[in-house]
Amino acid sequence: SQKIEQNSEALNIQEGKTATLTCNYTNYSPAYLQWYRQDPGRGPVFLLLIRENEKEKRKERLKVTFDTTLKQSLFHITASQPADSATYLCALVGDSNYQLIWGAGTKLIIKP
Amino acid sequence: EAGVTQSPTHLIKTRGQQATLRCSPISGHTSVYWYQQALGLGLQFLLWYDEGEERNRGNFPPRFSGRQFPNYSSELNVNALELEDSALYLCASSLAVGTGLDSPLHFGNGTRLTVT
Repeated sequence: SQKIEQNSEALNIQEGKTATLTCNYTNYSPAYLQWYRQDPGRGPVFLLLIRENEKEKRKERLKVTFDTTLKQSLFHITASQPADSATYLCALVGDSNYQLIWGAGTKLIIKP
Repeated sequence: EAGVTQSPTHLIKTRGQQATLRCSPISGHTSVYWYQQALGLGLQFLLWYDEGEERNRGNFPPRFSGRQFPNYSSELNVNALELEDSALYLCASSLAVGTGLDSPLHFGNGTRLTVT
């Protein structure tokens, strides 16, 4: 069955360092992959989308890579700040009916 | 531009009652999605409406139902509430599917449903 896996444990990073989050998937070849940020008690907020023919996408301090051979996407936050602390979710389109399949999310904690 | 709005923000019900949750999408968005997020868990897909029609539903019992109105707003109904229905219910909207499979979802901040 199709599955998306993200780091299940919280990721603790020192302020100013680069945070790298991983999203692995199996049994699917998605046309694109999306990353969202979710703060406690709030809805997810869209951050970046990367297509299968794109190796890398950037937006300010954010960078996403997409390796269709490894079936993996990496999400990087450079010069991390405590305000970047949140849960980050990856999602890709499933097999049918354009449904997004979601990872469980990785909680990122940036320490001052 | 106004974002996705959901009401109420909090709802407390007892077992066996019915709950009605409401969602207004971003203007111009015709697709509405409903998700359940239990505490500490991931997003579980419930329902998808587009142009007033139910396009897909997730693995939830029939007591979870909904509809989409002509103005594209939507309602989620949960009948015969059970304790395990306690969760954050999130609504999201997007441009019509036909405009591109890569249309991101825009979420509201959810309705926190507590069943006692």
